[in-house]
Amino acid sequence: ETGVTQTPRHLVMGMTNKKSLKCEQHLGHNAMYWYKQSAKKPLELMFVYSLEERVENNSVPSRFSPECPNSSHLFLHLHTLQPEDSALYLCASSQDPGGLNQYFGPGTRLTVL
Amino acid sequence: QQQVKQSPQSLIVQKGGIPIINCAYENTAFDYFPWYQQFPGKGPALLIAIRPDVSEKKEGRFTISFNKSAKQFSLHIMDSQPGDSATYFCAASINSNYQLIWGAGTKLIIKP
Repeated sequence: ETGVTQTPRHLVMGMTNKKSLKCEQHLGHNAMYWYKQSAKKPLELMFVYSLEERVENNSVPSRFSPECPNSSHLFLHLHTLQPEDSALYLCASSQDPGGLNQYFGPGTRLTVL
Repeated sequence: QQQVKQSPQSLIVQKGGIPIINCAYENTAFDYFPWYQQFPGKGPALLIAIRPDVSEKKEGRFTISFNKSAKQFSLHIMDSQPGDSATYFCAASINSNYQLIWGAGTKLIIKP
């Protein structure tokens, strides 16, 4: 595997379910990010991790819970989501927290019923 | 002040034409302006970037023009090809800050 991988690619869940999104980067980077992408809107930065420490949490609802067990893996735990949370969730990594070249995974298309 | 406004929302150009996508910003502290390209089913990928100390940067068929006084920058694609059909995002940041401020994207279609 190369670059940034994300699983699953598609996820449908009910509002009472608990699920997790997984991201893995094979680039040796030190910073990882979660973004939310909705149609015709700018990408929304959700969380940033640098060397496994969370450095940014952009007022994201607590129903989204990130986890970064090591510099190569990033998870987004989901519970009691709302239909408006349906979107493409993108993971990215960069060499360091000031990394201006962010490498993105293909995303997880999430649908909340 | 933290917004980046991108236009147009969508654009259709004939093969060989020169699509132009524009972005405008307010925060004069921004000093890094990248463009990302996103194909369906893929994440965005860095295409080209510029800093405000130059007015133009070219990489292959892609050119960024930067107007510091107008606080605007634009992407031009020379000799456009159907394979250039994608969504293009402009962004801006303050150096050493990982937080990119994104435009809303432009869906570009190049007709054969």
